[in-house]
Amino acid sequence: EVQLVESGGGLVQPGGSLRVSCAASGFTVSSNYMTWVRQAPGKGLEWVSVINSAGGTNYAESVKGRFTISRDNSKNTLSLQMNSLRTEDTAVYYCARDVPAAIGWYFDVWGRGTLVTVSS
Amino acid sequence: QSVLTQPPSVSGAPGQRVTISCTGISSNVGTGYDVHWYQQLPGTAPKLLIYGNRNRPSGVPDRFSGSKSATSASLAISGLQAEDEADYYCQSYDYSLGGFYVFGTGTKVTVL
Repeated sequence: EVQLVESGGGLVQPGGSLRVSCAASGFTVSSNYMTWVRQAPGKGLEWVSVINSAGGTNYAESVKGRFTISRDNSKNTLSLQMNSLRTEDTAVYYCARDVPAAIGWYFDVWGRGTLVTVSS
Repeated sequence: QSVLTQPPSVSGAPGQRVTISCTGISSNVGTGYDVHWYQQLPGTAPKLLIYGNRNRPSGVPDRFSGSKSATSASLAISGLQAEDEADYYCQSYDYSLGGFYVFGTGTKVTVL
């Protein structure tokens, strides 16, 4: 069964760091584009970052320079290192698998999410 | 970064048909990028509902249908059921700023 399971969320102070991870089963992370999406409490979905199968990365302007996406091929996991955290980074963080459409990409598998709370 | 515009809410009685619009701009939907739709039931992760403008993944009822025109897309739910009460998001790709994914603002569907 194809599955994604996030972990590592928690409470962190403003300015602090946290690393969230996403364990994949049923497919190989390194062969796919993988994405992080977040959702602040009561708000909509916001794309955060993507890593492609060649290891190229891109980030939303709101996190560029603070967040780093990576993958561990030996463990078949995806990670998001979050530094210089702000209160507005408080959200549920979902990992998702990207699938190419005719023109563009969509997300066919989602994890259940992990909550990151940035507060003093 | 831009977002796609959706109505905040739509409602309908059981059995009725409702539609949700998703409007983009020239750097995303207007360029021809496909639009996809997700359903998010309360307290759960988003679930793929429609991909490539009009295609349903296996297991999605044919009550759900999608369409796309020049700079907008629509999701229609026919024969509305109580279990369809959820948030719905459209999603596409935007080529500006090096390329990124863009979501709609979200629409809450209420079954009266």
